[in-house]
Amino acid sequence: SQKIEQNSEALNIQEGKTATLTCNYTNYSPAYLQWYRQDPGRGPVFLLLIRENEKEKRKERLKVTFDTTLKQSLFHITASQPADSATYLCALDAGNNRKLIWGLGTSLAVNP
Amino acid sequence: EAGVTQFPSHSVIEKGQTVTLRCDPISGHDNLYWYRRVMGKEIKFLLHFVKESKQDESGMPNNRFLAERTGGTYSTLKVQPAELEDSGVYFCASSQDYRATGELFFGEGSRLTVL
Repeated sequence: SQKIEQNSEALNIQEGKTATLTCNYTNYSPAYLQWYRQDPGRGPVFLLLIRENEKEKRKERLKVTFDTTLKQSLFHITASQPADSATYLCALDAGNNRKLIWGLGTSLAVNP
Repeated sequence: EAGVTQFPSHSVIEKGQTVTLRCDPISGHDNLYWYRRVMGKEIKFLLHFVKESKQDESGMPNNRFLAERTGGTYSTLKVQPAELEDSGVYFCASSQDYRATGELFFGEGSRLTVL
């Protein structure tokens, strides 16, 4: 069955360091992969989308990589700040039907 | 510009009762999606509207769930009769041109508790 795995354990890092989150998937060939941020009690907020033919995408302090051979995406936050503390969700798009398949998310805590 | 709004934010009902959740998408967004997150599980797709038409309802759990989108504007999701396993957070999302940016705009969710 299709499966998406994200770091199940919370990630704690020091302010200013780079946070790296992992998203692995199996039995799937996504046309897109997306990253969202979710704060407690709120809805997911879109961050970045990367297509299957793209290796890397950047947006300000965020960087996403996509390796379709390894079936893995890495999400980096450079110069992390306490305000970056949240749960980060990885989601795949099949392309044809536009529905997203989600991972459980990784909780990130940036300590001052 | 107003974002996606959902109502109610939290609903507590008894098993067997009926609940109707409402979603107002961003104005002009033709695509409207319903997703659900059950505690401890990942977010799961329920269905997708394009304007007033159901494009994909493959994620709807069973016939106790009924979604409508009258006139292609707001949408409602009715659960009747509610069961314990229906508890969770129901998210609505909208987009205008999904292919162009891929971005979905989510509401804050409606938390449903069935006792």
